[in-house]
Amino acid sequence: AQSVSQHNHHVILSEAASLELGCNYSYGGTVNLFWYVQYPGQHLQLLLKYFSGDPLVKGIKGFEAEFIKSKFSFNLRKPSVQWSDTAEYFCAVNAPFGGADGLTFGKGTHLIIQP
Amino acid sequence: ETGVTQSPTHLIKTRGQQVTLRCSSQSGHNTVSWYQQALGQGPQFIFQYYREEENGRGNFPPRFSGLQFPNYSSELNVNALELDDSALYLCASSIQGASTEAFFGQGTRLTVV
Repeated sequence: AQSVSQHNHHVILSEAASLELGCNYSYGGTVNLFWYVQYPGQHLQLLLKYFSGDPLVKGIKGFEAEFIKSKFSFNLRKPSVQWSDTAEYFCAVNAPFGGADGLTFGKGTHLIIQP
Repeated sequence: ETGVTQSPTHLIKTRGQQVTLRCSSQSGHNTVSWYQQALGQGPQFIFQYYREEENGRGNFPPRFSGLQFPNYSSELNVNALELDDSALYLCASSIQGASTEAFFGQGTRLTVV
């Protein structure tokens, strides 16, 4: 069975600080990898995704993530955070080509950016 | 906005009752998945529907059931509600067989008292 582990449940940073949120997954095969963000009162939105190719993927709002296959990791980074980045961040995996097992999510990281 | 709409937005039910939640998928998407998100947790996969049939299921009991209609909209039904069923229920639409992302609705907040 797939599983996703997010190491930091609560992170508090000041504006302009750099961000790295950890994500490790367990799955016996090729995976698609995702980071979703949930702003207060809003729906889950896709930040970025990795299916294949360049392991460094760039997403919206200046976020990027690096897939390291040997470490089963897909960490999310942003060089300089803004107050508007305050949100819940979820790492997720699924099987390629829309597997019928759905997405497996981590428990999420609650990020608070202080002005 | 994703184009995935869910109704109702909030609902309060009594333990033992039954509830039906509804979802309209994004145009062009033929697959609908449902997730349960308990407070402080990540979404948990309930099941997925494609071509009006359930084609994948997570670790949820049979009292969680669903339907998909010819227009790809979907319903989630939960019978014999328990207090632990209180959660945000999310619907996501996608395209079966393609490696694309799922688009989520805003969810239905269900409270069981």
